[in-house]
Amino acid sequence: AQSVSQHNHHVILSEAASLELGCNYSYGGTVNLFWYVQYPGQHLQLLLKYFSGDPLVKGIKGFEAEFIKSKFSFNLRKPSVQWSDTAEYFCAVNAKGGNEKLTFGTGTRLTIIP
Amino acid sequence: NAGVMQNPRHLVRRRGQEARLRCSPMKGHSHVYWYRQLPEEGLKFMVYLQKENIIDESGMPKERFSAEFPKEGPSILRIQQVVRGDSAAYFCASSPDRERWYEQYFGPGTRLTVT
Repeated sequence: AQSVSQHNHHVILSEAASLELGCNYSYGGTVNLFWYVQYPGQHLQLLLKYFSGDPLVKGIKGFEAEFIKSKFSFNLRKPSVQWSDTAEYFCAVNAKGGNEKLTFGTGTRLTIIP
Repeated sequence: NAGVMQNPRHLVRRRGQEARLRCSPMKGHSHVYWYRQLPEEGLKFMVYLQKENIIDESGMPKERFSAEFPKEGPSILRIQQVVRGDSAAYFCASSPDRERWYEQYFGPGTRLTVT
């Protein structure tokens, strides 16, 4: 079975700082990878996804993530964060071919200080 | 365009009672997923349904838990004889069809507290 690790539980940054949130997964086969975001008081929503092709994926609001197969990682990045990026971020993995289940990490709470 | 609706948002039950959680998918969506988030943990897949059919229930506890998605009306997650360990946030998501399973739109969740 697959699993996802997000080692940073809470990250605090100042506006304009660069962001990188770690995500590592454990699964021997091919995967689809996702980042979801939950803004305060709002529903969980998809930020970006990787299925195949270019390992550098661009999502909404200036976020991007890079799939590094050799490291089993799919880290989320943003060059310059804004106060409105304050939210909880969840990485998720799906084992390609055979099921439609998402396995989520425990989430990283991001707080941006104005 | 209304999103995924879940009710109630908060539910308090005493040990041994039944809990019924409802999920209305987005308009036009025919597939529903239920996830559970225990304190300090990530969301865990429970069950995947389409109307009148359970596609995958591999994440459901073997006892006391059941789910349905009837032809008419919301999807229901039912927990019988609740115990303290059932206290969690239960999230529902919907997708347009099986091919676009990855386009999951989440509801606000139901927070179940068992006293």
